[in-house]
Amino acid sequence: GDSVTQMEGPVTLSEEAFLTINCTYTATGYPSLFWYVQYPGEGLQLLLKATKADDKGSNKGFEATYRKETTSFHLEKGSVQVSDSAVYFCALFLYNFNKFYFGSGTKLNVKP
Amino acid sequence: EAGVTQFPSHSVIEKGQTVTLRCDPISGHDNLYWYRRVMGKEIKFLLHFVKESKQDESGMPNNRFLAERTGGTYSTLKVQPAELEDSGVYFCASSRGQLSSGNTIYFGEGSWLTVV
Repeated sequence: GDSVTQMEGPVTLSEEAFLTINCTYTATGYPSLFWYVQYPGEGLQLLLKATKADDKGSNKGFEATYRKETTSFHLEKGSVQVSDSAVYFCALFLYNFNKFYFGSGTKLNVKP
Repeated sequence: EAGVTQFPSHSVIEKGQTVTLRCDPISGHDNLYWYRRVMGKEIKFLLHFVKESKQDESGMPNNRFLAERTGGTYSTLKVQPAELEDSGVYFCASSRGQLSSGNTIYFGEGSWLTVV
């Protein structure tokens, strides 16, 4: 079935370290791909998205490239900050089902 | 403009009790969704309202869950009777139009439910 698999956390990094959170997906159709972030005490917020193969989504220094050949959408940031500490969710949207499928979330802790 | 608001933000109830979660979507948003994340697992779709009608309730886990959206404004999600496995975060979201038409979905902060 349609699903998203992302690396388990928590991920603990020092400030200015490089971040990668892996995400792979299985989809019956041609999905759009998203990364959502939940900061402590807040709701889910859209971080970035990509709607077709080879598209790169980017926002706030984060990037992810839609790789159809490897069915992946890994999240990267070159230099993390303490304020990036949050839970990150990879998700796909299938237009024929009109719903999102989320991963289990990866908690990121960034230490000063 | 106010975002999607949910109430209560946290709730602790005993097994067998009833809990009602409320969601107020963004004004003017016809589409309202409920999702939940249980036991730290993936966030899963529960159901989708268009105005007061349920367009898709395929994700509702069982008949202990009842969602309503009378008048097409706010929505309630009732769990009766609550079981331990219902513990988790219940997210509400809304969009002005259908997501398949490119509309943006906005999520609330979630209602944290703990069943003891």
